[in-house]
Amino acid sequence: DVKVTQSSRYLVKRTGEKVFLECVQDMDHENMFWYRQDPGLGLRLIYFSYDVKMKEKGDIPEGYSVSREKKERFSLILESASTNQTSMYLCASTNIAGAETQYFGPGTRLLVL
Amino acid sequence: GQNIDQPTEMTATEGAIVQINCTYQTSGFNGLFWYQQHAGEAPTFLSYNVLDGLEEKGRFSSFLSRSKGYSYLLLKELQMKDSASYLCAVRDHPGGSYIPTFGRGTSLIVHP
Repeated sequence: DVKVTQSSRYLVKRTGEKVFLECVQDMDHENMFWYRQDPGLGLRLIYFSYDVKMKEKGDIPEGYSVSREKKERFSLILESASTNQTSMYLCASTNIAGAETQYFGPGTRLLVL
Repeated sequence: GQNIDQPTEMTATEGAIVQINCTYQTSGFNGLFWYQQHAGEAPTFLSYNVLDGLEEKGRFSSFLSRSKGYSYLLLKELQMKDSASYLCAVRDHPGGSYIPTFGRGTSLIVHP
């Protein structure tokens, strides 16, 4: 069974804090993704990575950065958290051909006060 | 770019059949996915269509017409646990992209 895990299910941070969200997958997948999900807006792609140390901007990268130092781990960084970054964050992975489905982690619900 | 449309909300009765539609406009096409997402949980894969026609998997079926840019997810013998959001995602293929774009999801409420 593919497993994608995220470091926290719930997180509360203050405005201006630096926030790290971590994602780990155990299927040796090349591609990893970070999405945020907001009511009425659906899933929106923040960043993705197709290989170690490689990253590409998604649709809404502003205010975020990412790190992929190891194949199994993809980190999302909020350099200075703001209240409009309160959201559900979902990590996903898929194989190199992308032929199969994305496998999602359980999500991190982040509240920025 | 891509434009994916699906109804925001649908209601249905336990034991009934419901059809959730998804229309899309993309520059290319390389597959359409349906996911189920219960409140507070991650999306889970339901189906994948890349060729025209109907794919059946137990109580769930998914249909695709590429010429019409149209898909539907059919849920039969509805159960209360089918109350969830259903996400349509389309993958186009500009320059080899494998990344799907998601619709906003359809919230299905099943009542007794």
